[in-house]
Amino acid sequence: QSVLTQPPSVSAAPGQKVTISCSGSSSNIGNNYVYWYRQLPGTAPKLLIYDNNKRPPGIPDRFSGSKSGTSATLGITGLQTGDEADYYCGSWDTSLSAALFGGGTKLTVL
Amino acid sequence: QVQLQESGPGLVKPSETLSLTCTVSSGSISSYYWTWIRQPPGKGLEWIGYITHSGSTNYNPSLKSRITISRDTSKNQFSLKLNSVTAADTAVYYCARDYGDYDSLTGSRSHWFDPWGQGTLVTVSS
Repeated sequence: QSVLTQPPSVSAAPGQKVTISCSGSSSNIGNNYVYWYRQLPGTAPKLLIYDNNKRPPGIPDRFSGSKSGTSATLGITGLQTGDEADYYCGSWDTSLSAALFGGGTKLTVL
Repeated sequence: QVQLQESGPGLVKPSETLSLTCTVSSGSISSYYWTWIRQPPGKGLEWIGYITHSGSTNYNPSLKSRITISRDTSKNQFSLKLNSVTAADTAVYYCARDYGDYDSLTGSRSHWFDPWGQGTLVTVSS
C-alpha cells in the first residue's frame, strides 16, 4: 500500500472535466512539492505537473495541479480519448528521506 | 533535448546481481541528479535511488542494503546494481533525470523526474 493515496480509477465523458486526488501526510505532501505523471499504455511515465502547479513546456493548460495541506489534486479539462492512461502523483518524504509515488489512478474516457 | 537509454541483461537468476546502465545523451551527468525507478508488471512506480551531480547517493530505505548506484562521467553514464535478487525484483527499470532541489526558505524538497528513459524489463528467473 502506497504512502500517497490515489483513487484506483476515475472516469468521465469526452469533453468533460475530471479530478484525481492524492492524499499524504505532513512528512511528504504537507511540507514538500507535488508532481504528477501520465503513463500511456506501454510507455514510460511523462511529467505533467511539477512544484504543485507548474506545467513543463509542451503540456497544455488543460492540465492543472493544486495542493492544500496534505492533499493534492490533478485536474484535466476537455477530456480526450487520448487522455486514457494511468496517472501518478509523487512527492518527497522527509521522514523516509525518499521519493514517493501514489498507487496510480486509471483514467477512462467513456 | 536530453535523452536517456537503459541497457543490461533482461534475465537474471535468483540470488544473483542485477546490473543496469543508463546512457545520457545531449546532456552532462555532472549537472542535475540522476535517478532509478522501477515498475513491477501491472503495478505502480517505486523509486530506487539517485546519484547527484557530485557523486553522492541516496537510496530507498526498503532497498538500501542491496543497492549501489554509481557513475562514469567519462562515458556520461550512471549505473544500478541490485544484489541478491528474487522474483519480486522483476520489473521494468527506468532511469530519469532528477530535478532535485532544496528550498532553504520553506524547507521543502523537490524531486521531479524528466525526462525518463524508455525502460527495460528485467525478469528474475532460473
